[in-house]
Amino acid sequence: QKEVEQNSGPLSVPEGAIASLNCTYSDRVSQSFFWYRQYSGKSPELIMSIYSNGDKEDGRFTAQLNKASQYVSLLIRDSQPSDSATYLCAVIHGSSNTGKLIFGQGTTLQVKP
Amino acid sequence: DTAVSQTPKYLVTQMGNDKSIKCEQNLGHDTMYWYKQDSKKFLKIMFSYNNKELIINETVPNRFSPKSPDKAHLNLHINSLELGDSAVYFCASNTGGRWDEQFFGPGTRLTVL
Repeated sequence: QKEVEQNSGPLSVPEGAIASLNCTYSDRVSQSFFWYRQYSGKSPELIMSIYSNGDKEDGRFTAQLNKASQYVSLLIRDSQPSDSATYLCAVIHGSSNTGKLIFGQGTTLQVKP
Repeated sequence: DTAVSQTPKYLVTQMGNDKSIKCEQNLGHDTMYWYKQDSKKFLKIMFSYNNKELIINETVPNRFSPKSPDKAHLNLHINSLELGDSAVYFCASNTGGRWDEQFFGPGTRLTVL
């Protein structure tokens, strides 16, 4: 079992729709969760972090965390073509104090005009 | 500009050669990382240094040797390059806290012929 799993996609949504990206993780004691966006040929950039169960909203982005189900998701409202990218779920490994980030394989999102 | 920078951006070399990639951050961060992103876009931690001390050393061939002359610099030296070393290598940094966002450099695309 992979430590962090994502559906590689591509996930295709029409402009203006809600895009829903999902991620599961295997280490039950993981505490910190991140969503990075990576455009083709560019470096990952952080768009959301979440540490507690529930929802966290930032503009058009909402991260959701359910530690009991070991599940974290990212919702993008009013999707724009500029949101087309690969979204990487990342988890701080277990009780690590070293900041060791474990990444999923990424979900490619395509927003069609 | 405050950032994480890497040189070179592109590196093309022959099998068996030795090469180095340099990374510098002017963010005042204590911790720096090296990641490898393979052709399937999977991003995996290789090494991490905190204040010049090695704190993460993943299972990578000992042909890879990180060096941190000071906390603002983390270089990656690769001996006897192999075809499978072809990838994009990203440097990242953060303050060292396990909650903290990691800022990524622009990446170095290494091609081994």
